[in-house]
Amino acid sequence: QVLLQQWGAGLLKSSETLSLTCGVSGGSFRGFYWTWIRQSPGRGLEWIGEINHSGFTDYNPSLKSRVTISVDTSKKEIYLKLISVTDADRAVYYCAKGRGPLGDWGQGTLVIVSS
Amino acid sequence: DITLTQSPDSLPVSLGEGATINCKSSQSVLNSATNKNQIGWYQQRPGQPPKLVIYWASTRASGVPDRFTGSGSGTDFTLTINSLQPEDVAVYYCQQYYSSPWTFGQGTKVEIK
Repeated sequence: QVLLQQWGAGLLKSSETLSLTCGVSGGSFRGFYWTWIRQSPGRGLEWIGEINHSGFTDYNPSLKSRVTISVDTSKKEIYLKLISVTDADRAVYYCAKGRGPLGDWGQGTLVIVSS
Repeated sequence: DITLTQSPDSLPVSLGEGATINCKSSQSVLNSATNKNQIGWYQQRPGQPPKLVIYWASTRASGVPDRFTGSGSGTDFTLTINSLQPEDVAVYYCQQYYSSPWTFGQGTKVEIK
């Protein structure tokens, strides 16, 4: 069973850059897509984007100008960067395995943005 | 973007009774090449990440009890829970993966009556 563990700063100031890492253990990394999702009371569950082991990415157009997802296959890690955060980016951020149906999820990281 | 609208928002159900959650898509999510509906259902308990319950509209994910059934095609889908158990109390979401950006319904809260 694959395990996804997330880490990164949970408290940011407005205009700073959100940086999160998702580490994968206990399963195969290559050949799969890896996804970032966020959840907030106002927006519900929102798909941020995805990447495969080759680095092919697809982003939600609503965030595309500010988001970068990358991967380090040697470390089995996936990265999320979101620039110029505002209070609207306050959410629980999840990484997940898959493209479409998401069968395994990280534990979630609460990100709070202060002004 | 495809909009998914779930009903009801809240569903009180007695233990042992059935629960039915609906998900309506703003456009068809049936892939004509595969004849599969690209819809999934997730269960989210408080403080937990969502857990995949159903994919391809009607296929149970590994380890999911058979009291969970997904059905529907095109634009209208249903998740049915037969004989509600205490551990089924959660918020349930539908998700489409037919057209990027993948989107989710707003959620249906299943609680004990």
